[in-house]
Amino acid sequence: GDSVTQMEGPVTLSEEAFLTINCTYTATGYPSLFWYVQYPGEGLQLLLKATKADDKGSNKGFEATYRKETTSFHLEKGSVQVSDSAVYFCARTNNAGNMLTFGGGTRLMVKP
Amino acid sequence: GAGVSQSPSNKVTEKGKDVELRCDPISGHTALYWYRQRLGQGLEFLIYFQGNSAPDKSGLPSDRFSAERTGGSVSTLTIQRTQQEDSAVYLCASSLPGLRAGANVLTFGAGSRLTVL
Repeated sequence: GDSVTQMEGPVTLSEEAFLTINCTYTATGYPSLFWYVQYPGEGLQLLLKATKADDKGSNKGFEATYRKETTSFHLEKGSVQVSDSAVYFCARTNNAGNMLTFGGGTRLMVKP
Repeated sequence: GAGVSQSPSNKVTEKGKDVELRCDPISGHTALYWYRQRLGQGLEFLIYFQGNSAPDKSGLPSDRFSAERTGGSVSTLTIQRTQQEDSAVYLCASSLPGLRAGANVLTFGAGSRLTVL
């Protein structure tokens, strides 16, 4: 079936450190891939997306590249800020294209 | 509306009581989703509506859970005879139909936090 696996947290970094949060998906169909972010006390917000192989999604300094050969969509940011502290969710569309399957979420904590 | 609105934002109930959670999607969004997020865990899919029909109910955890949508707009998730393991944040999202191409995305509400004592 459709599934998404992401690295377990929490990930704790110092401000300005480099961030990678790993995400892999099951290689069924041709999904679109997403990263959502949930800031403390808020709902999930779309961070970025990619719809086909080799596409790169980017927003707010975050990037993720759709890698079909490794079935991965790792989230990266070159220099994190305290305000990036949140829970990050990787997601894929199902094969019918009518819903999203989410990974378990990765909590990021950035310390000053 | 401008965003997805959920109510109540917080609900504390006693074990065995019934609860109703409401979702008001973005105007014009024909697709509506319910997910559950237990403390410290990921999102668990519950049910999906396209218009008023629910083609995928596979995620409902038991027959104590039901959902309806009327007028292609507001949806209600009902949990009967609540149990402590039902404690979670229930998230609603809506979208225009067709997610595959990435043109349409899910927009989430802030969630309804349910605590069953």
